[in-house]
Amino acid sequence: DQQVKQNSPSLSVQEGRISILNCDYTNSMFDYFLWYKKYPAEGPTFLISISSIKDKNEDGRFTVFLNKSAKHLSLHIVPSQPGDSAVYFCAASAIQGAQKLVFGQGTRLTINP
Amino acid sequence: DAGITQSPRHKVTETGTPVTLRCHQTENHRYMYWYRQDPGHGLRLIHYSYGVKDTDKGEVSDGYSVSRSKTEDFLLTLESATSSQTSVYFCATLDGMNTEAFFGQGTRLTVV
Repeated sequence: DQQVKQNSPSLSVQEGRISILNCDYTNSMFDYFLWYKKYPAEGPTFLISISSIKDKNEDGRFTVFLNKSAKHLSLHIVPSQPGDSAVYFCAASAIQGAQKLVFGQGTRLTINP
Repeated sequence: DAGITQSPRHKVTETGTPVTLRCHQTENHRYMYWYRQDPGHGLRLIHYSYGVKDTDKGEVSDGYSVSRSKTEDFLLTLESATSSQTSVYFCATLDGMNTEAFFGQGTRLTVV
């Protein structure tokens, strides 16, 4: 039962262009969503989050959009830089679920010079 | 960075032996999690804890047990290791609701 899904295993984008990573979820009880970035041989690090009461949150080059009716969120990176090459995970949690934190399968982003 | 230490960082063990992985935090975070990372599956939740002695199952809990006798330590035990449990295991902690979780560096476990 995959409650959080990232259907694109990989994405390749040219440096300077926009990267868009997508994530879908099935549990309507989720009320907080996060994006994490992971480099090889390291633990995931937090990137940006959004509460279900918002539809957009921005932090520098990173913007997360939430469409609750479609149960879909996306991460936009503009402009993309070589250091952005990593695996990106989306995650979701529910207050009513005792903060059970569920992750997607990840998308490997490669930024080409 | 949150003070999260996983031990050991690497371990090779034989099929059928018990294995315990330790997660230690110095942040006094209430919530703690164990995940495994496998190619094509991302991060899958094994067990999590929402307080001392309060734990619950995640998506892939079969073959694993956990214990949390004090706030700072969350132990993951493989009662009888199998080759399918070869993976990279991550511990994470979270302070409160609607905040981000912090991850440890991971433990690479190989069951031969």
